[in-house]
Amino acid sequence: KAGVTQTPRYLIKTRGQQVTLSCSPISGHRSVSWYQQTPGQGLQFLFEYFSETQRNKGNFPGRFSGRQFSNSRSEMNVSTLELGDSALYLCASTRQGEQFFGPGTRLTVL
Amino acid sequence: GIQVEQSPPDLILQGGANSTLRCNFSDSVNNLQWFHQNPWGQLINLFYIPSGTKQNGRLSATTVATERYSLLYISSSQTTDSGVYFCAVEGGSQGNLIFGKGTKLSVKP
Repeated sequence: KAGVTQTPRYLIKTRGQQVTLSCSPISGHRSVSWYQQTPGQGLQFLFEYFSETQRNKGNFPGRFSGRQFSNSRSEMNVSTLELGDSALYLCASTRQGEQFFGPGTRLTVL
Repeated sequence: GIQVEQSPPDLILQGGANSTLRCNFSDSVNNLQWFHQNPWGQLINLFYIPSGTKQNGRLSATTVATERYSLLYISSSQTTDSGVYFCAVEGGSQGNLIFGKGTKLSVKP
């Protein structure tokens, strides 16, 4: 069974731009969570989707948003990028409470 | 919210040595997972262990939920064990793992 996939793997953007990241969960998994990892703040929860509904949201500004499609694939969007948004963005899909992570998207904001 | 503390923050071992990593959490949790983050950033699942003891090869883990801690044991360490080990817990909020700051392990040949 294929694992969690994320695209793109690397991304370079400039301040003020917006970006969309994609995550495809393991087949059959309906819950997708997103996390941001930075050297200063560590791994922080962004939001979680289940059956196209956002069930939980972390403490991030409204510039961070997401959605989930009927096939469970999820996207997250960051608008008006700031330098501090440079990070590794990880998504995870969940089976019976256990989360499985994708390889991440490394975003650099210049 | 729930606090997760990992110790030690850094650990240097000679190949073949054993080690114990600790994870303390501040409240009751539904789930607890241990991960190894590889040099490319991917989090590799080691154990899903909200309570009890599990073993997988040279690795084993024990969670004592009533005392709010978990231990990860690595025996006969190898250079490929190097990396950062994270403990993460899920409290009352589904899909929301709260991570510790990790233990950075370096194994010398």
